[in-house]
Amino acid sequence: DAKTTQPPSMDCAEGRAANLPCNHSTISGNEYVYWYRQIHSQGPQYIIHGLKNNETNEMASLIITEDRKSSTLILPHATLRDTAVYYCIVRVAESGGSNYKLTFGKGTLLTVNP
Amino acid sequence: DGGITQSPKYLFRKEGQNVTLSCEQNLNHDAMYWYRQDPGQGLRLIYYSQIVNDFQKGDIAEGYSVSREKKESFPLTVTSAQKNPTAFYLCASSIFSGSGLNEQFFGPGTRLTVL
Repeated sequence: DAKTTQPPSMDCAEGRAANLPCNHSTISGNEYVYWYRQIHSQGPQYIIHGLKNNETNEMASLIITEDRKSSTLILPHATLRDTAVYYCIVRVAESGGSNYKLTFGKGTLLTVNP
Repeated sequence: DGGITQSPKYLFRKEGQNVTLSCEQNLNHDAMYWYRQDPGQGLRLIYYSQIVNDFQKGDIAEGYSVSREKKESFPLTVTSAQKNPTAFYLCASSIFSGSGLNEQFFGPGTRLTVL
């Protein structure tokens, strides 16, 4: 799986949009971009994933650049409960289900301030 | 409510003792996973199981053992052979598909401290 690079920490004001960047310059054509988050001392929570098109769900939006070398997770209206470590992960799609694990890096600690 | 439960939340053990961490899911997921997380670090895969009565080693299986006798349960035993067992242990599950690209649902974790 391709490696990802994320800033170690970011701050955001409550109610504003939080834009979390991720660099994955070595991503290959069959690799998906996944985002998870982990609130302190809890298990990680799935947020969203995408291949090349932008995606949106009830939690967030995922913007992937045209060359797919970077992406941005957008939390449109951050709340204090969004304070967490956010992980950007790339995963390859392989037939036979061999892509079983999530490789988490250190992620970005997002702190939402009142 | 459907979900994954891990027990206990905090566990203390003396050095040299084996200890078993529980993981149960009622999501009807085929695949289950155990990860370990050290302070300030990401998750590392210990073992995973894609089907009952079958499991595979992950990246750091040494010193750990698992069983998968029931679809709902995937207990992890931390043996005395594990050199640095103090960590946060996370269990996860997912449906199983050919591509493996299914979101994993995580339990709340067990924090193990070896005294």
